[in-house]
Amino acid sequence: DVQMTQSPSFVSASVGDRVTITCRASQGIRSWLAWYQQKPGKAPKLLIYAASNLQSGVPSRFSGSESGTDFTLTISSLQPEDFATYYCQQANSYPLTFGGGTKVEIK
Amino acid sequence: EVQLLESGGGLVQPGGSLRLSCVASGFTFSAFAMHWVRQAPGKGLEWVSGISASGGGTYYADSVKGRFTISRDNTKNTLYVQMYSLRAEDAAVYYCAKVRTDGYNNFDYWGQGTLVTVSS
Repeated sequence: DVQMTQSPSFVSASVGDRVTITCRASQGIRSWLAWYQQKPGKAPKLLIYAASNLQSGVPSRFSGSESGTDFTLTISSLQPEDFATYYCQQANSYPLTFGGGTKVEIK
Repeated sequence: EVQLLESGGGLVQPGGSLRLSCVASGFTFSAFAMHWVRQAPGKGLEWVSGISASGGGTYYADSVKGRFTISRDNTKNTLYVQMYSLRAEDAAVYYCAKVRTDGYNNFDYWGQGTLVTVSS
């Protein structure tokens, strides 16, 4: 099984900050990595697919990148509505696996 | 507008059974693989099971293999998961999710979730 190690698990940041979240896959997953945002009591929302492709309707301040088995989600300028929990997910092979999540809170 | 509406959750005793349903609308259901993802209270997301568009391929997490059965009825635009031998650790909000149009197993639409509680 592919293990997804997400870090950090918690980020305290201010509006306007640049925030970076990382996921490391335990083996190669090509570019089959997605990022989701989840707010309390709500279903997750797809932000990025195939490592760096922005899902339709998602603001351009969100971006994704990859380097080998390391994947990064960047929020270029944090907005009030971005305070949430973020998850990565590999789609390369079964079983599909998620990272442990990163909670972004207001400093 | 794509909509996924889960139902069937509730309180069940350990060892009991439950069937969840997910009714889909707003897209050609029979053209897309579908999945179940769960989230225990206060915990992260866990993929549970997936099924191909035709229903011919099914996939399970090790934690539910042999106890859960995923199925679909493309004439009713409905996804199911039959859960047997439920354990305390199966308690969670269960979401159904649709794969992206490109077919890769990233989920572009999710239901609102249905809560399963396992307790005596």
